[in-house]
Amino acid sequence: GDSVTQMEGPVTLSEEAFLTINCTYTATGYPSLFWYVQYPGEGLQLLLKATKADDKGSNKGFEATYRKETTSFHLEKGSVQVSDSAVYFCARDSSYKLIFGSGTRLLVRP
Amino acid sequence: DAGVTQSPTHLIKTRGQHVTLRCSPISGHKSVSWYQQVLGQGPQFIFQYYEKEERGRGNFPDRFSARQFPNYSSELNVNALLLGDSALYLCASSLGAAYTDTQYFGPGTRLTVL
Repeated sequence: GDSVTQMEGPVTLSEEAFLTINCTYTATGYPSLFWYVQYPGEGLQLLLKATKADDKGSNKGFEATYRKETTSFHLEKGSVQVSDSAVYFCARDSSYKLIFGSGTRLLVRP
Repeated sequence: DAGVTQSPTHLIKTRGQHVTLRCSPISGHKSVSWYQQVLGQGPQFIFQYYEKEERGRGNFPDRFSARQFPNYSSELNVNALLLGDSALYLCASSLGAAYTDTQYFGPGTRLTVL
């Protein structure tokens, strides 16, 4: 069945470092792809999305490009801040539901 | 505009009890979905409701049920609670039931089963 695989964490970075969180998805159909962020004790917030191949989603300095040829949707940010510390979930849609990866915890140290 | 709201925020139950969780979607949204997030894992789909009808169901036992009301709010019911039902239960709303409709999540209800 459909699935999403993302890199395990935690990812620990110093402030202003470059961030990459890898995500790959099963290629069945033509899914939309998403990154959600979960801050401690909170629900999920939509960070960005892309609906077709080569689309680039962006928000708050985060970017991800829908790569059909590699079935990937890696999350990047050029300069992370302490406030970016959270758990990041990659997801794809599958009919009426979202399928999530297991999440990657990001810790940013001052 | 208010986002998705859920109640209660936290809940503690014992094994064998029943629980009802509530969700109010974003104004204008007609679809509600429920997800279970066990600690350390990604959310798992439980149900989707659209216009008061069940449109999809995940791989959960019949102890889990839900319904949607005319005002598009929704309830998730879990009977005969097990320790393994302890999780964060997330509600998401979207404009419609199309796969292209973005889902917006509420803060969740944290259920602890003792």
